[in-house]
Amino acid sequence: DTGVSQDPRHKITKRGQNVTFRCDPISEHNRLYWYRQTLGQGPEFLTYFQNEAQLEKSRLLSDRFSAERPKGSFSTLEIQRTEQGDSAMYLCASSSTGNYGYTFGSGTRLTVV
Amino acid sequence: EDQVTQSPEALRLQEGESSSLNCSYTVSGLRGLFWYRQDPGKGPEFLFTLYSAGEEKEKERLKATLTKKESFLHITAPKPEDSATYLCAVHFSGTASKLTFGTGTRLQVTL
Repeated sequence: DTGVSQDPRHKITKRGQNVTFRCDPISEHNRLYWYRQTLGQGPEFLTYFQNEAQLEKSRLLSDRFSAERPKGSFSTLEIQRTEQGDSAMYLCASSSTGNYGYTFGSGTRLTVV
Repeated sequence: EDQVTQSPEALRLQEGESSSLNCSYTVSGLRGLFWYRQDPGKGPEFLFTLYSAGEEKEKERLKATLTKKESFLHITAPKPEDSATYLCAVHFSGTASKLTFGTGTRLQVTL
């Protein structure tokens, strides 16, 4: 068990570019979550998967954001036409059904310049 | 709207000086309350889950308690390595699986 892995750790992109992040959850966990955290704030919920099904999305997840979890394994979060307001730490977490003590990854820090 | 409020925002303690952090939440139906520790540049690390008023959990120098409207994280005789941001999160009824986080308490423990 190597924990939750996120790639890349850091991403700097120009405004208007598309970016994609990857998350590899703990293998036996069927639930996967994406959160966003800005400086001095707690993580904010973006979306949640149970296996390959995306079951809940936050209002924060605008049309420019899309997440997938093909085959219920790894997940990707794509942001299209990035804006400076998208700069944040994007956190992935996983858990098993009925256990809400998530295991978080170390996050991907996105800077939009 | 479901809300989670943590206080104080920041706390500076000397080594060995015990204190408590507070987490209060809107009472709209609690399914679980969670405490996490977050070090700079890292993701939150799970500490405790509490489900019902009166419940207590302990781990080393940390003890979490829960009432009907708030939770406390007691830190006994802290050490410098306890310095971190402590986050409280709540799973509210009717919100499927998401957690609502507070803004955290930044704890600094000095020698």
